[in-house]
Amino acid sequence: AQSVTQLDSQVPVFEEAPVELRCNYSSSVSVYLFWYVQYPNQGLQLLLKYLSGSTLVKGINGFEAEFNKSQTSFHLRKPSVHISDTAEYFCAVSYGGATNKLIFGTGTLLAVQP
Amino acid sequence: DAGVIQSPRHEVTEMGQEVTLRCKPISGHNSLFWYRQTMMRGLELLIYFNNNVPIDDSGMPEDRFSAKMPNASFSTLKIQPSEPRDSAVYFCASSPVSVGAAGELFFGEGSRLTVL
Repeated sequence: AQSVTQLDSQVPVFEEAPVELRCNYSSSVSVYLFWYVQYPNQGLQLLLKYLSGSTLVKGINGFEAEFNKSQTSFHLRKPSVHISDTAEYFCAVSYGGATNKLIFGTGTLLAVQP
Repeated sequence: DAGVIQSPRHEVTEMGQEVTLRCKPISGHNSLFWYRQTMMRGLELLIYFNNNVPIDDSGMPEDRFSAKMPNASFSTLKIQPSEPRDSAVYFCASSPVSVGAAGELFFGEGSRLTVL
């Protein structure tokens, strides 16, 4: 079955430190990958997406992610986090073809501490 | 643009009552999705529409749940009768991309449902 795995339910990190949030997906010939962020009491909003082309994708708020086909991973990174980055981060995958629905991972809470 | 608009933002009801959640997608978007979010199960896709037609309702939990999209600017998710285990945040999202391509989903702020 198609799936997305986010192994870390919570990642604590100090302000200005680098962070990596991990995401792995079940393999498929064609795949589109997304990272969404959810701030408290809000809906999700898109951080970045990989559809094709360069495997390094840059998004909003200084985040970036790298698509690694051999490892079926799409890890999210930021070199220096801020308190305002505290939120829930969701990795999502679309397998294209006849559907554009997204399958979401279980989310990772990024907790930035001063 | 006003974004995806959901109502009500909060709903508290008693078991057995009918609940109707409403969604107005972004104008021009032709895909609409209903998701449910709980601590235990995370984000679950309930149903999605393309051009007002239901494409995949395999995520709808049971017959108590139904969704309609009578026109391009309005959708409802109905639960009848409601049960405490239906308590969750229900999100509506719309997308400008139609069947056959991946795209960005624009989420509403959600409807928090509590069934006592």
